[in-house]
Amino acid sequence: NAGVTQTPKFQVLKTGQSMTLQCAQDMNHNSMYWYRQDPGMGLRLIYYSASEGTTDKGEVPNGYNVSRLNKREFSLRLESAAPSQTSVYFCASNGEFEAFFGQGTRLTVV
Amino acid sequence: AQSVAQPEDQVNVAEGNPLTVKCTYSVSGNPYLFWYVQYPNRGLQFLLKYITGDNLVKGSYGFEAEFNKSQTSFHLKKPSALVSDSALYFCAVRNDNQGGKLIFGQGTELSVKP
Repeated sequence: NAGVTQTPKFQVLKTGQSMTLQCAQDMNHNSMYWYRQDPGMGLRLIYYSASEGTTDKGEVPNGYNVSRLNKREFSLRLESAAPSQTSVYFCASNGEFEAFFGQGTRLTVV
Repeated sequence: AQSVAQPEDQVNVAEGNPLTVKCTYSVSGNPYLFWYVQYPNRGLQFLLKYITGDNLVKGSYGFEAEFNKSQTSFHLKKPSALVSDSALYFCAVRNDNQGGKLIFGQGTELSVKP
């Protein structure tokens, strides 16, 4: 039982490059989330998906897009990376109550 | 809009002493409240939750939290701190009547010294 799996674990991008962060869960959860974690800022919600086929903006959606491909997968795309997007990104899925988190992706934009 | 505040960036406690990590929230309706813990270079782990019922809820590793509706607080407590409790703690709130988004506070670094 893998839980929530994120790939890649580490990534370095140049300003202006694009990339997609992948997330998959095997717990049959409806809700999935993408967060970014920055020192002193806690976890800020980027996008949220309540179910397959639906997505909703969170607190800091600018510069990101998401795709809920199916019930298992929820990807986060940076179309044109900026240094301000240097962060640690976490994907999570939510059962009836508590959420389960992936191990994170450490992204550096230079 | 829902929000969570953790007023202390850092809490320092001596091993064996009780600890409290504070959390207040703002949400309309009945919230679901959570505490998560993060160890260095790891994802978040669930500690405990309040959904309904008794205001005092017990969770993993001897932690408990008290829901206070009038003060809109959900403080995390432990009677006797361990050095291994040192970590980053997050309070979170979810309101399924407002789309079910899970919103986190900014986190509190707990340091337990021997």
